[in-house]
Amino acid sequence: AQSVAQPEDQVNVAEGNPLTVKCTYSVSGNPYLFWYVQYPNRGLQFLLKYITGDNLVKGSYGVEAEFNKSQTSFHLKKPSALVSDSALYFCAVDLDNYGQNFVFGPGTRLSVLP
Amino acid sequence: DVKVTQSSRYLVKRTGEKVFLECVQDMDHENMFWYRQDPGLGLRLIYFSYDVKMKEKGDIPEGYSVSREKKERFSLILESASTNQTSMYLCASSSPASGSFHNEQFFGPGTRLTVL
Repeated sequence: AQSVAQPEDQVNVAEGNPLTVKCTYSVSGNPYLFWYVQYPNRGLQFLLKYITGDNLVKGSYGVEAEFNKSQTSFHLKKPSALVSDSALYFCAVDLDNYGQNFVFGPGTRLSVLP
Repeated sequence: DVKVTQSSRYLVKRTGEKVFLECVQDMDHENMFWYRQDPGLGLRLIYFSYDVKMKEKGDIPEGYSVSREKKERFSLILESASTNQTSMYLCASSSPASGSFHNEQFFGPGTRLTVL
């Protein structure tokens, strides 16, 4: 089955340290990958996407993600975490060419500790 | 900026009531979606629509129906609300992919529905 996994339910990091939120995928064909963030009692906000081209993608709020085809991963990273980065992060994959078939991972809760 | 609005942020209903959740987008998007979000389960697709009056079932359509009479508006209907439909409901919209350009979905703020 085509799917997206986020192996960590919770990630804790100290403010100023680098953060990584992990995502792996299992799809047939080309993966079209997305990261979203959700702040408390809000909808999801788009951060970045990988469609093709450069494996390192930069997004909003200073985050970036690296597409690794051999490891089927698309980890989200930020060099220096802020307390305001604390949120729920979702990885997603678009399974078709019509934008109608997104599969979301279960989410990873990031807590940045002051 | 794309804006997706949902009619209520919080809603409390009783078992057996008919519930309407409304979603409006202002970017002329063809695709609109209804998801429910539950802790540990991520987002699960209930229904989506790719055009006016068109709808497709998602992964968990049982107990729900939808209506799309106008391009900008997509309604989710709980015919007879049950306690297991207590959840966060998220509406989203997008335009279809064009060639290699795959578009993100834009989300509304969500409606937290409690069924007593």
